[in-house]
Amino acid sequence: QQQVKQSPQSLIVQKGGISIINCAYENTAFDYFPWYQQFPGKGPALLIAIRPDVSEKKEGRFTISFNKSAKQFSLHIMDSQPGDSATYFCAAPGGGANNLFFGTGTRLTVIP
Amino acid sequence: EAGVTQFPSHSVIEKGQTVTLRCDPISGHDNLYWYRRVMGKEIKFLLHFVKESKQDESGMPNNRFLAERTGGTYSTLKVQPAELEDSGVYFCASSQVGDRNTEAFFGQGTRLTVV
Repeated sequence: QQQVKQSPQSLIVQKGGISIINCAYENTAFDYFPWYQQFPGKGPALLIAIRPDVSEKKEGRFTISFNKSAKQFSLHIMDSQPGDSATYFCAAPGGGANNLFFGTGTRLTVIP
Repeated sequence: EAGVTQFPSHSVIEKGQTVTLRCDPISGHDNLYWYRRVMGKEIKFLLHFVKESKQDESGMPNNRFLAERTGGTYSTLKVQPAELEDSGVYFCASSQVGDRNTEAFFGQGTRLTVV
């Protein structure tokens, strides 16, 4: 079963708008929530990550909001730019190993 | 510094054939992971090496998949015989030894198409 559920599958946003991608998880043992960004022909790259002891983390135009009680976290991209067009994956760490459970990905397109 | 590199970038093979994917991790990274993404689905963990040892291979689909990491450097993932459902993008990632939240760096992936 999917450990991390991600939505929407695709998203089209006007330049300058806000992009919002949501993820939900079940396993309350998860203690680290990274977001990965993947451009076509490239591998996923770590964008920003949060631990559940904080409700928000901001790095430049990218913000993670975390709701521990709802077991949800989301990525907000402020002032979205065409260069942000990529596939975004949320993730959570696997059981005892150093692997990651990924969401299904969101293909973001920012229109000029 | 070179990142994680994977070969080939694309491979098209017929059902029943054998394919070997290669991953060269970042130098000095003892952790090496293989993942797979089937079209439109999540990126799924396959297995994890620490140096040359398999730490966790719980994600390997079946015994048609064989991963090796001789000498603890590069790794290969062999699929034999390939089936249609093996099509997807195979990613390799590597990381330094650390806690389980240590950042993993991904290669560009190998797109495997089985026809």
